[in-house]
Amino acid sequence: NAGVTQTPKFQVLKTGQSMTLQCAQDMNHEYMSWYRQDPGMGLRLIHYSVGAGITDQGEVPNGYNVSRSTTEDFPLRLLSAAPSQTSVYFCASSYSSGGAYNTGELFFGEGSRLTVL
Amino acid sequence: GIQVEQSPPDLILQEGANSTLRCNFSDSVNNLQWFHQNPWGQLINLFYIPSGTKQNGRLSATTVATERYSLLYISSSQTTDSGVYFCAVRVPRDFGNEKLTFGTGTRLTIIP
Repeated sequence: NAGVTQTPKFQVLKTGQSMTLQCAQDMNHEYMSWYRQDPGMGLRLIHYSVGAGITDQGEVPNGYNVSRSTTEDFPLRLLSAAPSQTSVYFCASSYSSGGAYNTGELFFGEGSRLTVL
Repeated sequence: GIQVEQSPPDLILQEGANSTLRCNFSDSVNNLQWFHQNPWGQLINLFYIPSGTKQNGRLSATTVATERYSLLYISSSQTTDSGVYFCAVRVPRDFGNEKLTFGTGTRLTIIP
Protein backbone atom coordinates (compact mmCIF):
# COMPACT_ATOMS: atom_id res chain seq x y z
CA ASN A 1 0.00 0.00 0.00
CA ALA A 2 1.32 3.41 -0.95
CA GLY A 3 -1.36 5.10 1.20
CA VAL A 4 -2.23 8.65 0.15
CA THR A 5 -0.05 10.04 -2.63
CA GLN A 6 0.07 13.72 -3.54
CA THR A 7 1.74 15.38 -6.50
CA PRO A 8 3.50 17.69 -6.98
CA LYS A 9 5.31 18.20 -3.68
CA PHE A 10 6.35 21.74 -4.59
CA GLN A 11 4.92 24.22 -7.09
CA VAL A 12 5.44 27.90 -7.83
CA LEU A 13 2.75 29.75 -9.77
CA LYS A 14 2.20 33.26 -10.98
CA THR A 15 -1.00 35.07 -10.10
CA GLY A 16 -3.78 34.07 -12.47
CA GLN A 17 -2.28 30.75 -13.51
CA SER A 18 -4.22 27.53 -13.08
CA MET A 19 -3.06 24.18 -11.82
CA THR A 20 -4.25 20.88 -10.38
CA LEU A 21 -2.98 19.17 -7.26
CA GLN A 22 -3.31 15.42 -7.61
CA CYS A 23 -4.32 13.04 -4.83
CA ALA A 24 -4.63 9.28 -5.06
CA GLN A 25 -5.23 6.61 -2.43
CA ASP A 26 -5.04 2.84 -2.71
CA MET A 27 -6.86 1.92 0.49
CA ASN A 28 -10.35 1.83 -1.07
CA HIS A 29 -11.43 4.68 1.21
CA GLU A 30 -14.83 6.22 0.48
CA TYR A 31 -13.99 9.56 2.08
CA MET A 32 -11.37 11.95 0.67
CA SER A 33 -10.68 15.55 1.55
CA TRP A 34 -8.37 18.49 1.04
CA TYR A 35 -7.00 20.69 3.81
CA ARG A 36 -4.79 23.72 3.73
CA GLN A 37 -2.33 24.58 6.46
CA ASP A 38 -1.31 28.16 7.13
CA PRO A 39 0.88 29.52 9.95
CA GLY A 40 -1.20 30.21 13.05
CA MET A 41 -4.39 28.87 11.39
CA GLY A 42 -3.97 25.14 11.79
CA LEU A 43 -5.51 22.85 9.18
CA ARG A 44 -8.72 23.96 7.51
CA LEU A 45 -11.00 21.87 5.32
CA ILE A 46 -11.36 23.03 1.70
CA HIS A 47 -13.53 20.35 0.02
CA TYR A 48 -14.45 16.77 0.71
CA SER A 49 -16.05 13.78 -0.98
CA VAL A 50 -17.92 10.85 0.54
CA GLY A 51 -17.74 8.77 -2.65
CA ALA A 52 -17.35 8.85 -6.40
CA GLY A 53 -19.55 11.52 -7.94
CA ILE A 54 -20.21 13.27 -4.60
CA THR A 55 -18.37 16.37 -3.40
CA ASP A 56 -19.13 19.15 -0.96
CA GLN A 57 -17.60 22.32 0.43
CA GLY A 58 -15.64 22.64 3.62
CA GLU A 59 -14.68 25.74 5.59
CA VAL A 60 -12.63 27.54 2.94
CA PRO A 61 -13.81 26.43 -0.54
CA ASN A 62 -13.53 29.71 -2.46
CA GLY A 63 -11.06 29.63 -5.34
CA TYR A 64 -10.93 25.83 -5.48
CA ASN A 65 -12.77 23.17 -7.48
CA VAL A 66 -12.84 19.42 -6.98
CA SER A 67 -14.28 16.37 -8.70
CA ARG A 68 -14.40 12.67 -7.81
CA SER A 69 -14.76 10.48 -10.87
CA THR A 70 -13.19 7.42 -9.23
CA THR A 71 -12.84 6.10 -5.69
CA GLU A 72 -9.05 6.43 -5.89
CA ASP A 73 -8.56 10.00 -7.13
CA PHE A 74 -9.55 13.41 -5.78
CA PRO A 75 -7.84 16.30 -7.63
CA LEU A 76 -7.93 19.88 -6.36
CA ARG A 77 -8.04 22.60 -9.02
CA LEU A 78 -6.99 26.21 -8.69
CA LEU A 79 -8.57 28.01 -11.65
CA SER A 80 -6.91 31.41 -11.17
CA ALA A 81 -4.25 31.34 -8.50
CA ALA A 82 -3.97 34.21 -6.01
CA PRO A 83 -1.19 34.99 -3.50
CA SER A 84 -3.68 34.20 -0.70
CA GLN A 85 -3.59 30.59 -1.88
CA THR A 86 0.06 30.25 -0.95
CA SER A 87 -0.08 27.42 1.54
CA VAL A 88 0.68 23.78 2.22
CA TYR A 89 -2.07 21.51 0.97
CA PHE A 90 -2.85 18.11 2.43
CA CYS A 91 -5.05 15.39 1.01
CA ALA A 92 -6.57 12.93 3.46
CA SER A 93 -8.74 9.83 3.24
CA SER A 94 -10.61 7.40 5.47
CA TYR A 95 -13.34 4.82 5.46
CA SER A 96 -16.71 6.50 5.68
CA SER A 97 -18.54 6.45 8.97
CA GLY A 98 -21.67 4.70 7.77
CA GLY A 99 -23.19 5.76 11.06
CA ALA A 100 -22.61 8.28 13.77
CA TYR A 101 -20.49 5.93 15.91
CA ASN A 102 -18.66 3.96 13.25
CA THR A 103 -15.98 6.39 12.17
CA GLY A 104 -12.75 5.93 10.32
CA GLU A 105 -9.19 6.95 11.07
CA LEU A 106 -8.02 9.72 8.75
CA PHE A 107 -4.75 9.31 6.86
CA PHE A 108 -2.83 12.17 5.28
CA GLY A 109 -0.59 12.51 2.27
CA GLU A 110 2.82 14.16 2.55
CA GLY A 111 1.60 17.58 1.49
CA SER A 112 2.07 19.91 -1.47
CA ARG A 113 3.73 23.26 -0.89
CA LEU A 114 2.30 25.90 -3.22
CA THR A 115 3.68 29.42 -3.66
CA VAL A 116 1.76 31.98 -5.70
CA LEU A 117 3.78 35.03 -6.73
CA GLY B 1 -18.70 24.72 15.62
CA ILE B 2 -16.67 22.69 18.05
CA GLN B 3 -13.70 24.38 19.70
CA VAL B 4 -10.46 22.45 20.20
CA GLU B 5 -7.84 23.90 22.53
CA GLN B 6 -4.38 22.49 23.05
CA SER B 7 -1.95 23.27 25.81
CA PRO B 8 0.75 24.24 26.24
CA PRO B 9 1.31 26.00 22.91
CA ASP B 10 5.08 25.57 23.22
CA LEU B 11 7.21 23.17 25.22
CA ILE B 12 10.99 22.95 25.39
CA LEU B 13 12.48 19.96 27.16
CA GLN B 14 15.80 18.27 27.69
CA GLU B 15 16.30 14.89 26.07
CA GLY B 16 15.08 12.15 28.40
CA ALA B 17 12.35 14.23 30.01
CA ASN B 18 8.68 13.27 30.13
CA SER B 19 5.81 15.47 28.95
CA THR B 20 2.03 15.68 28.94
CA LEU B 21 0.13 17.45 26.19
CA ARG B 22 -3.52 18.31 26.68
CA CYS B 23 -6.45 18.66 24.28
CA ASN B 24 -9.78 20.11 25.44
CA PHE B 25 -12.86 20.11 23.23
CA SER B 26 -16.20 21.84 23.61
CA ASP B 27 -18.66 19.21 22.38
CA SER B 28 -19.22 15.45 22.32
CA VAL B 29 -17.00 13.71 19.80
CA ASN B 30 -17.00 10.30 18.12
CA ASN B 31 -13.45 10.47 16.82
CA LEU B 32 -10.27 11.89 18.24
CA GLN B 33 -6.88 11.56 16.68
CA TRP B 34 -3.40 12.69 17.69
CA PHE B 35 -0.91 13.57 14.97
CA HIS B 36 2.76 14.45 14.98
CA GLN B 37 3.91 16.89 12.31
CA ASN B 38 7.63 16.40 11.96
CA PRO B 39 10.10 19.14 10.95
CA TRP B 40 9.70 18.05 7.31
CA GLY B 41 5.97 18.78 7.46
CA GLN B 42 4.68 15.21 7.37
CA LEU B 43 1.57 14.44 9.41
CA ILE B 44 2.04 11.15 11.17
CA ASN B 45 -0.84 9.32 12.84
CA LEU B 46 -0.12 8.63 16.48
CA PHE B 47 -3.41 7.52 17.97
CA TYR B 48 -7.02 7.03 16.98
CA ILE B 49 -8.61 7.30 20.42
CA PRO B 50 -12.22 8.50 20.80
CA SER B 51 -12.18 7.08 24.33
CA GLY B 52 -10.01 5.06 26.68
CA THR B 53 -6.26 4.60 26.83
CA LYS B 54 -3.76 3.37 24.27
CA GLN B 55 -0.01 2.93 24.34
CA ASN B 56 2.56 2.68 21.59
CA GLY B 57 6.12 2.44 22.82
CA ARG B 58 7.11 5.62 24.64
CA LEU B 59 3.84 7.30 23.73
CA SER B 60 0.46 6.83 25.30
CA ALA B 61 -2.85 8.65 25.11
CA THR B 62 -5.97 8.85 27.21
CA THR B 63 -9.31 10.31 26.20
CA VAL B 64 -12.01 11.00 28.78
CA ALA B 65 -14.91 11.69 26.46
CA THR B 66 -17.40 12.49 29.23
CA GLU B 67 -15.10 15.28 30.49
CA ARG B 68 -14.12 16.39 26.98
CA TYR B 69 -10.38 16.12 27.10
CA SER B 70 -7.52 13.97 25.89
CA LEU B 71 -3.92 13.69 27.07
CA LEU B 72 -0.85 12.62 25.14
CA TYR B 73 2.08 11.37 27.21
CA ILE B 74 5.61 11.23 25.86
CA SER B 75 8.18 9.50 28.03
CA SER B 76 11.98 9.57 27.76
CA SER B 77 11.86 12.22 25.04
CA GLN B 78 14.20 11.98 22.06
CA THR B 79 15.23 14.69 19.62
CA THR B 80 13.16 12.93 16.95
CA ASP B 81 10.06 13.73 19.02
CA SER B 82 10.46 17.39 18.13
CA GLY B 83 7.72 18.91 16.00
CA VAL B 84 4.11 19.96 16.37
CA TYR B 85 1.50 17.72 17.97
CA PHE B 86 -2.07 18.14 16.81
CA CYS B 87 -5.28 16.91 18.33
CA ALA B 88 -8.24 16.60 15.93
CA VAL B 89 -11.85 15.69 16.64
CA ARG B 90 -15.08 14.86 14.82
CA VAL B 91 -18.60 15.46 16.14
CA PRO B 92 -21.40 12.90 15.68
CA ARG B 93 -23.64 15.31 13.77
CA ASP B 94 -21.03 15.40 10.99
CA PHE B 95 -22.42 12.06 9.81
CA GLY B 96 -21.35 11.41 6.23
CA ASN B 97 -18.72 14.12 6.49
CA GLU B 98 -15.58 12.81 8.13
CA LYS B 99 -14.35 16.33 8.78
CA LEU B 100 -11.81 16.63 11.55
CA THR B 101 -11.51 19.91 13.43
CA PHE B 102 -7.92 20.54 14.43
CA GLY B 103 -6.50 22.27 17.43
CA THR B 104 -3.70 24.79 16.88
CA GLY B 105 -1.09 22.36 18.14
CA THR B 106 1.67 22.10 20.72
CA ARG B 107 5.18 22.79 19.43
CA LEU B 108 7.62 20.47 21.18
CA THR B 109 11.35 21.07 21.05
CA ILE B 110 13.69 18.46 22.53
CA ILE B 111 17.18 19.71 23.30
CA PRO B 112 20.07 17.18 23.24
